[in-house]
Amino acid sequence: GQNIDQPTEMTATEGAIVQINCTYQTSGFNGLFWYQQHAGEAPTFLSYNVLDGLEEKGRFSSFLSRSKGYSYLLLKELQMKDSASYLCAGRDSNYQLIWGAGTKLIIKP
Amino acid sequence: NAGVTQTPKFRVLKTGQSMTLLCAQDMNHEYMYWYRQDPGMGLRLIHYSVGEGTTAKGEVPDGYNVSRLKKQNFLLGLESAAPSQTSVYFCASDPGGAADTQYFGPGTRLTVL
Repeated sequence: GQNIDQPTEMTATEGAIVQINCTYQTSGFNGLFWYQQHAGEAPTFLSYNVLDGLEEKGRFSSFLSRSKGYSYLLLKELQMKDSASYLCAGRDSNYQLIWGAGTKLIIKP
Repeated sequence: NAGVTQTPKFRVLKTGQSMTLLCAQDMNHEYMYWYRQDPGMGLRLIHYSVGEGTTAKGEVPDGYNVSRLKKQNFLLGLESAAPSQTSVYFCASDPGGAADTQYFGPGTRLTVL
């Protein structure tokens, strides 16, 4: 079966660094996406990885290991506005996105 | 450029009533999707379309129907609403490539009593 696992909730301190992990099992693999979703709003795109390694975009980075079925999202210099849910999604061989339940990130001052 | 829009934003139905949710996109995207999002669960695909005049079933299609008569519009219908269909519904679209990100509408919050 297809499955995406990520922690339900994490807490971090403003200004710190946090790593949100995601493990995936998909039928075929066509990339791994991370989205951010603020409460009551729509998901918005953060990053896409299809090759092994680290992709950096400002304060956010995403890593992929295809052999381990593993990805993480790294958020640096945390700000209060980063409080949101972070959704991991894998694209399968039919080009459909399989979604994790999301990780709710709580930032404390 | 409005992106992806959805109407209505909120709706309350009684069991057995019907309704149609409208999604519109102005980005000329080929692919469009309807998801539902429930607490503690990931987004679940209801139906999708890979182009005008096409539709296909997703993971949870029962109780829903869709139509894509125009490229820019994707309609989701509930013929006889049930309390289990209480959810937040999101429409999304993308150009259709493997690396293409999905763009989401603002969502419709539906309650079925």
